[in-house]
Amino acid sequence: SQQGEEDPQALSIQEGENATMNCSYKTSINNLQWYRQNSGRGLVHLILIRSNEREKHSGRLRVTLDTSKKSSSLLITASRAADTASYFCATDGTGRRALTFGSGTRLQVQP
Amino acid sequence: AAGVIQSPRHLIKEKRETATLKCYPIPRHDTVYWYQQGPGQDPQFLISFYEKMQSDKGSIPDRFSAQQFSDYHSELNMSSLELGDSALYFCASSLVGGNTEAFFGQGTRLTVV
Repeated sequence: SQQGEEDPQALSIQEGENATMNCSYKTSINNLQWYRQNSGRGLVHLILIRSNEREKHSGRLRVTLDTSKKSSSLLITASRAADTASYFCATDGTGRRALTFGSGTRLQVQP
Repeated sequence: AAGVIQSPRHLIKEKRETATLKCYPIPRHDTVYWYQQGPGQDPQFLISFYEKMQSDKGSIPDRFSAQQFSDYHSELNMSSLELGDSALYFCASSLVGGNTEAFFGQGTRLTVV
């Protein structure tokens, strides 16, 4: 069964707009990570947030984590057409280092 | 910087054949993970190895096996292939004691016909 559920499943925005994707998970975690995947390609690591962190930034990316709600969000600001991809959250839980992926959000940025 | 290398990139096999996928982790990474991603699906964890020992097992079919060798490369062996095994197979590596960031290879696209 999937650890994470992502919301929305698909998102279409215009270039320059912000994109927000949400992820929920079920069990206790050590870290939560966000990955990007272009169609049929490998997964690219974007950002890792630890369970004791609430917010993290990396360039145009902003990730929040709410462990009380078991949820995380990924915000991409000033989106570009090149941001078009699927975005996955992944968690590693206590006692298991292997990442469990959510179902992903397909982001389409229209030029 | 060196990344995770997977070979082959593409593989076509017939039903009931066997396939072997190879993964070369990032140098000095001690953990290797295998994932399967079906069309339009999220990556599903299959199996992982830490220091050449199996460390975790996910939804890996009994027809599949894997191992990690002394040089830390790993192989995923798939037997009695079925049409449903057609998928992207990813290998990832990480360093225990680090940030647990997993770095993924470009994947092997297996097509079973």
